[in-house]
Amino acid sequence: AQSVSQHNHHVILSEAASLELGCNYSYGGTVNLFWYVQYPGQHLQLLLKYFSGDPLVKGIKGFEAEFIKSKFSFNLRKPSVQWSDTAEYFCAVTNSGGYQKVTFGTGTKLQVIP
Amino acid sequence: DADVTQTPRNRITKTGKRIMLECSQTKGHDRMYWYRQDPGLGLRLIYYSFDVKDINKGEISDGYSVSRQAQAKFSLSLESAIPNQTALYFCATSAHTDRGSYNEQFFGPGTRLTVL
Repeated sequence: AQSVSQHNHHVILSEAASLELGCNYSYGGTVNLFWYVQYPGQHLQLLLKYFSGDPLVKGIKGFEAEFIKSKFSFNLRKPSVQWSDTAEYFCAVTNSGGYQKVTFGTGTKLQVIP
Repeated sequence: DADVTQTPRNRITKTGKRIMLECSQTKGHDRMYWYRQDPGLGLRLIYYSFDVKDINKGEISDGYSVSRQAQAKFSLSLESAIPNQTALYFCATSAHTDRGSYNEQFFGPGTRLTVL
């Protein structure tokens, strides 16, 4: 069965600091990877996704993620965070074939201090 | 107008009551999902449906049932609510995909359910 681990449960940063949120998955086959963001009081929305090709994926609002197959990782990065990035971030994985059930990580709460 | 809507948005009920949460979508997607979100546990899949005649249990289906009344409607029922079902419930949709690809899920605004 596939699983997703997010190592950081709560991260506090000052504005302009750099961000890296860890995500590791467990699955033996080909995967598709996602980062979703949930702003306070809102529903989840897609930040970026990886299907194939260039392992460095760029998403909305200056976020990017790098797929490192050998490390089973898909870490999220942003060079300079803003107060408006305060949110909860979820990594998710699905297998590429058959029934594509998505498995979500437990989430990382990011708090950006002005 | 929102593409994925959920009703009610908030509900407080008592142990033993029957509760139905409803989800409607105007995206034309054939796949729909119900998740619950609990602090520190992320999102966990309750049920999913890949079309009107295809309903599948997720990882935490005990105590829940679903009905796919139409392509656009997917409701979640708690036959006899209990306090540990207090959570934030999300409905989501996605489009049909071919093998080897995947389409993102689109989430509704959530229903906050409290069982006393």
